[in-house]
Amino acid sequence: GAVVSQHPSWVICKSGTSVKIECRSLDFQATTMFWYRQFPKQSLMLMATSNEGSKATYEQGVEKDKFLINHASLTLSTLTVTSAHPEDSSFYICSVLGRVGDTQYFGPGTRLTVL
Amino acid sequence: SQQGEEDPQALSIQEGENATMNCSYKTSINNLQWYRQNSGRGLVHLILIRSNEREKHSGRLRVTLDTSKKSSSLLITASRAADTASYFCATDARGAQKLVFGQGTRLTINP
Repeated sequence: GAVVSQHPSWVICKSGTSVKIECRSLDFQATTMFWYRQFPKQSLMLMATSNEGSKATYEQGVEKDKFLINHASLTLSTLTVTSAHPEDSSFYICSVLGRVGDTQYFGPGTRLTVL
Repeated sequence: SQQGEEDPQALSIQEGENATMNCSYKTSINNLQWYRQNSGRGLVHLILIRSNEREKHSGRLRVTLDTSKKSSSLLITASRAADTASYFCATDARGAQKLVFGQGTRLTINP
């Protein structure tokens, strides 16, 4: 498997501010990472696919200018929620595509609360 | 769009009993995976079954796949309180790396 960390594990911010969430692959170099959002008692919804060295691919309905993704290295991808609003409050989870390319390994998630 | 549908949405059983969860999907797949999520935590990969496989075992887990019916089941035998969690199936569309998750089954094991 793969060990994936996220930072921070939780964050509370005021409406209108920007929040950056980091996703790190700790034990191998990941060319592909994924960002998901999960609302309470709901399933995971894919937001975007993050490829190292290239622009992220966003899912339909996800605003690329609001959710900025940067995959600058093989071990780090960041998600920045810009001008956050209360409706952006959610659990954000990243995953790393494993070496074989068919299994994703998930980080522990970041709970964002926008006041 | 969400591809997987799972049932039941919630399941509550006594410790020691077996728990069965079902998942259906809509398009052709390369493989189907099951994940567990404890409340407020990330997902833990449980098992992957490929489209050319019909059954797979891992410890107390047994997964079946019926591609003709586009469905899968996860059986947890001899359940324990620690198995209390949400369980999700996830499928990949052929040629794509991304996963589409089902709605999940919330499993509660009563001691």
